[in-house]
Formats: sequence, C-alpha cells, structure tokens
Amino acid sequence: GENVEQHPSTLSVQEGDSAVIKCTYSDSASNYFPWYKQELGKRPQLIIDIRSNVGEKKDQRIAVTLNKTAKHFSLHITETQPEDSAVYFCAARLGQNFVFGPGTRLSVLP
Amino acid sequence: KAGVTQTPRYLIKTRGQQVTLSCSPISGHRSVSWYQQTPGQGLQFLFEYFSETQRNKGNFPGRFSGRQFSNSRSEMNVSTLELGDSALYLCASSLAQGHDGGYTFGSGTRLTVV
Repeated sequence: GENVEQHPSTLSVQEGDSAVIKCTYSDSASNYFPWYKQELGKRPQLIIDIRSNVGEKKDQRIAVTLNKTAKHFSLHITETQPEDSAVYFCAARLGQNFVFGPGTRLSVLP
Repeated sequence: KAGVTQTPRYLIKTRGQQVTLSCSPISGHRSVSWYQQTPGQGLQFLFEYFSETQRNKGNFPGRFSGRQFSNSRSEMNVSTLELGDSALYLCASSLAQGHDGGYTFGSGTRLTVV
C-alpha cells in the first residue's frame, strides 16, 4: 500500500520568509497529490493540488512541485503571514485511496 | 451551497457505550470517507462509502462500522467504546470514489470517552 512521509513535523519562520514542506510517497502509481491546511479547531481545507502529469502548480503565494522520479512533492509558501500558521497535511492518492502524511505544524512569527 | 455537515459537534460517552455519528455530504457528492484524527496519529483512514457500499476500509477493529443511505448521508458507529477512541472524527465527501479534486471535510465530531 501507499505510505506518505512528511517533513518537518514542526516549522517556525519569521513573517515574510518562505516555508517549504516536503512529502515523499512510496508507490510510483500514485497520481494525485493534494495539500490541506487545518487551522486550530477547524476542518482541513484543500489549498492546492497537483496531478502526476504536471511538475509545478502555483496559486498566488503557494506552490507545489512534484518530482515523480524521486517520488516527492513539496509545498512552498512565500511571503508568509501570521494567518499561514496552521497544520499542513499532504496526501497521495493511489487508485481510490487517499493516504495522508502526519502533518507539519507551521508557526509564522511576527 | 451547503458544506459537509457533521452531527453532533461534541459528544461525551463512557467506556463500554456505543456511539453513532452522522455525516451529510455536499449535495451531489456520492462518496463519503471517515477519518479519525488524534494529536499523535494525524489523519487515520477509517472507511469510504460510495453508492451505499463500503469500498475501502482502514486498519481499525470491527467495533468501528458505518453505513451509507440512498441520499448519500453516512453514519459511523463505534461500539464498546474505549478511552483510546477519544478523537476528532472527520468525514469528507467527494463527487465520486477516487475523484480528483480532493475531499471537502466537515467540521468533525469531537468524541470524548471517559
């Protein structure tokens, strides 16, 4: 089955700096990779996703890159703001199953 | 349109009791998945329902069960509750099983077992 690792588990950055979270997956057949943001006490919300036929996708300050050969994908947040503070989960879809990474707690320090 | 609705939001039960949680998906969504979220374990997949049939099941004991109705609403049942079942239970809906576009999560039911 699929296994998803996520690093780092916690990340602190200064406001305005960039943050990068990396995930690796085990099954090369995985073809869809969403990222979710979960603020304290709230539901996880989809913030960006990428499919296996694309190497990079951007949406304003966030971007996701995918390296299929190395089986890893990364979330990049630029010009971080305090409201970016949350837990971020990556996921990989293999067939009809989603497997989530363990999450990264991002703290943006003012 | 309305999002994914989970009821109740909070629940306190004692060990040995059973509990039923409800999830109403976004209108038109036919797939419902359930997850257990705990601080140390992240999001653990419980099961997925599509067209009233369980399509996938995670690695949880048989005390955890579910069902889906013809209107796509889903219920999850946990019998013989244990202290370790205390968690946030999230459901997520999507248009179809394995549909790209990810899930839309509900706000969850926070279950506390005492």
